[in-house]
Amino acid sequence: DTGVSQDPRHKITKRGQNVTFRCDPISEHNRLYWYRQTLGQGPEFLTYFQNEAQLEKSRLLSDRFSAERPKGSFSTLEIQRTEQGDSAMYLCASSLVQEDTIYFGEGSWLTVV
Amino acid sequence: GENVEQHPSTLSVQEGDSAVIKCTYSDSASNYFPWYKQELGKGPQLIIDIRSNVGEKKDQRIAVTLNKTAKHFSLHITETQPEDSAVYFCAAEHRQAGTALIFGKGTTLSVSS
Repeated sequence: DTGVSQDPRHKITKRGQNVTFRCDPISEHNRLYWYRQTLGQGPEFLTYFQNEAQLEKSRLLSDRFSAERPKGSFSTLEIQRTEQGDSAMYLCASSLVQEDTIYFGEGSWLTVV
Repeated sequence: GENVEQHPSTLSVQEGDSAVIKCTYSDSASNYFPWYKQELGKGPQLIIDIRSNVGEKKDQRIAVTLNKTAKHFSLHITETQPEDSAVYFCAAEHRQAGTALIFGKGTTLSVSS
């Protein structure tokens, strides 16, 4: 299966620690998205890349969050100085610019204790 | 920016009955409307989508209708089965503008046998 891959799937961290999530999109997909989802809510947009360029960032993406896609392939999302409110599932998705369909990964669960 | 409202938040039906979920959107420029199904602990999976130049689309037991004038779209599931039980999300996007997919808050569908 060559779908969107996310790692780690689960992460428990202490408040104040930094965490990093990795996303490998579907091969040759030039758009990559990060979303956050809390229990009982729909996915909320954080940011997206077209190739290496970060084209849009949500106001939800505070200064403690940074996303990169250095070579236009995989991406990382880092959260610095984690807070309990950061506990959520972080979803990565990818698509081709010329196609509508956006494919999601299985998500990375973050619990901040 | 785009805002998507989804109703109902929960829906319980008997196996074999039909289920209808409705969404409204605010940005008249949105032109792409996918529906995702999310099972517990998994990422959203696309089940059907519709573009603004089409009023209705059907795929086996699933259909989606779009009313651009009223800015609402609906998901119809006929002959429901227990395996249809999941959380369903609608979303809207202005595809060519490169904006991100904005999701509704979800509908938890329970199909009892």
